[in-house]
Amino acid sequence: EVQLVQSGAEVKKPGESLKISCKASGYSFTNYWIGWVRQMPGKGLEWMGVIWPGDSDTRYRPSFQGQVTISVDKSISTAYLQWSSLKASDTAIYYCARRGDIPTYYLMDVWGQGTTVTVSS
Amino acid sequence: DIQMTQSPSSLSASVGDRVTITCRASQSISNFLHWYQQKPGKAPKVLIYGASSLQSGVPSRFRGSGSGTDFTLTITSLQPEDSATYYCQQTYSSLLMYTFGQGTKLEIK
Repeated sequence: EVQLVQSGAEVKKPGESLKISCKASGYSFTNYWIGWVRQMPGKGLEWMGVIWPGDSDTRYRPSFQGQVTISVDKSISTAYLQWSSLKASDTAIYYCARRGDIPTYYLMDVWGQGTTVTVSS
Repeated sequence: DIQMTQSPSSLSASVGDRVTITCRASQSISNFLHWYQQKPGKAPKVLIYGASSLQSGVPSRFRGSGSGTDFTLTITSLQPEDSATYYCQQTYSSLLMYTFGQGTKLEIK
């Protein structure tokens, strides 16, 4: 079964660092883009950026560039989203999702269950 | 970014009704348009991909249409379990900036 399993909920203080994970299984990890999506409380879905696990080619949405870092560890089929200094405004649910191939028009076809990040003093 | 404008932002309908949600792109995106359903506390679920292809396992009362800049999601014969928020997303961008519509919250009366 193709799946993405994300790490558990986190509660952090402003200024702290954080790295959340997205572990892939059931397919060739290095052959599909992995994207990250933010959903702030009560709000819609926002595209953050995407990474090609094969060579770590990463594309950030401009509003997220410099605010987060997307990375992978191919040896354990895991993608990461990290912050060096969290802000209260980073409080959100974060989803990872796999981009499918051209027959599906690059549909984000497999989604993780989401990781809730709460940043509060 | 390619902007996606979805409407309405919310709607209320009864069981058995037919509803239509629209999504407009700021430039032509061919058929690189997908529809998702999201229920509270859950990840988005794929309903329609490539503007009009029904994802496996999704009931046939969900139908997508359109091409270029204008797209619609139609749900016929509404069921109570269709209460959810619906999002469109484009995956046409050559920069891989795959934007979403603002979402449409559907309430079943």
